[in-house]
Amino acid sequence: DAGITQSPRHKVTETGTPVTLRCHQTENHRYMYWYRQDPGHGLRLIHYSYGVKDTDKGEVSDGYSVSRSKTEDFLLTLESATSSQTSVYFCAIRRDTSNYGYTFGSGTRLTVV
Amino acid sequence: AQKITQTQPGMFVQEKEAVTLDCTYDTSDQSYGLFWYKQPSSGEMIFLIYQGSYDEQNATEGRYSLNFQKARKSANLVISASQLGDSAMYFCAMYSGGGADGLTFGKGTHLIIQP
Repeated sequence: DAGITQSPRHKVTETGTPVTLRCHQTENHRYMYWYRQDPGHGLRLIHYSYGVKDTDKGEVSDGYSVSRSKTEDFLLTLESATSSQTSVYFCAIRRDTSNYGYTFGSGTRLTVV
Repeated sequence: AQKITQTQPGMFVQEKEAVTLDCTYDTSDQSYGLFWYKQPSSGEMIFLIYQGSYDEQNATEGRYSLNFQKARKSANLVISASQLGDSAMYFCAMYSGGGADGLTFGKGTHLIIQP
C-alpha cells in the first residue's frame, strides 16, 4: 500500500545484539520517519529524514541510529538491543500534497529477549 | 513543542449510534494540521480525516467528520451510524509549522462497537 515496505515484519532478537530494520519506498518522497508504538503511548517519533544523508532526532532517539544512503531506503539500527526496545516499529512517508498525506508502512514487531 | 491529549482510553458504543472521540491539542504555531487515524486489530494505520488550521469548514469524509473548535483547541472525531467494523484504536495526531518533523500522536482511544 502506498509503496512502503517494511522488513522484516517480525523479528526476535537477543539482548545486546545489533538489529537493523528497513523501510523501502517506491514513490521518491523526500521525508521519511521512524516511529515506535507501545501500549499507553501511542506512536512516538524516533528519527526522521529530509533527504539522502539528512536525518534528525525525534522524541525517543536514544539507543537508535538511522541511515539514508538512497532516497528509497531508510534504515533504523538498534545498536545494542535492550528489552525496553521491544515494540512495534512503523515507517512513514510524507507526501507533497496540501495535507502532507502521511502514510504508514505495515509495521515491524520486534521482540528483544 | 506540540502536544495531543486524548482523554478517553476506551469507549463502548451500541451499533448504529453516533460516536464522538475527543482530542485536544496544544501548539504555539499558527499553521498546523490535525489528523485522525484508525488502527484495527490487524495493526495497520489507516488515515481517516484531515483538518488544516486555516480551514474554515469542518472536514468530512463519508461517515467521519471532524468537529474543529480552534479557540478551544479541540479536534473531535465524529463517526455517524457506527458499525461493528469501526471497532479499533483511534489516534489523533498533528503536525505544526512546516510539518517536516513528522506527526505528534495522542495515546489513542480504544473504541468497541457492540451489536
